[in-house]
Amino acid sequence: AQSVTQPDIHITVSEGASLELRCNYSYGATPYLFWYVQSPGQGLQLLLKYFSGDTLVQGIKGFEAEFKRSQSSFNLRKPSVHWSDAAEYFCAVGTNDMRFGAGTRLTVKP
Amino acid sequence: GAGVSQSPSNKVTEKGKDVELRCDPISGHTALYWYRQSLGQGLEFLIYFQGNSAPDKSGLPSDRFSAERTGGSVSTLTIQRTQQEDSAVYLCASSSSGVAYGYTFGSGTRLTVV
Repeated sequence: AQSVTQPDIHITVSEGASLELRCNYSYGATPYLFWYVQSPGQGLQLLLKYFSGDTLVQGIKGFEAEFKRSQSSFNLRKPSVHWSDAAEYFCAVGTNDMRFGAGTRLTVKP
Repeated sequence: GAGVSQSPSNKVTEKGKDVELRCDPISGHTALYWYRQSLGQGLEFLIYFQGNSAPDKSGLPSDRFSAERTGGSVSTLTIQRTQQEDSAVYLCASSSSGVAYGYTFGSGTRLTVV
């Protein structure tokens, strides 16, 4: 069965610290992979996506993600978090349609 | 339009009433998706339209839920005999060619069933 797992419901990091949000998936074949961000009261915004090729993809707002086929993972990273990064982050996978993880809520401490 | 437009933005309805939620996708986008986001939950896939193909209804939670897409553009999600567990934000997204290009999401309709 297809599934997307974000193991961390809530993460708190200090401003300026590095960040890694985990995403694991179970799919019949390698799907397209995405990360979305949802700020409070805002819609979902696409951060980055992976189709094929280089397994390290760069996105907007300084985010990057690495696809690891052997681990069925697509973890999101940022070297230095800003207070404005506080939001809900969703990993999504799919081929014909997109299935989302439950999300990870990021809190940034001053 | 410039983005995906959903209406109404908020809807409060009494238990047992029917509601209709509207989605106006980006002009020219052939794919349209409905999701439901309950409080503190991820996005639950509901239904997917692609061009003139039969929609993928595999995510609809019960036969009280239905959706149509007229003329390959505007879509309406209908919930009949609403229940309190239907309270959620209903999100619509469109895409120029399916998953590969990512989705553009609307701002959603917050449905509250009282």
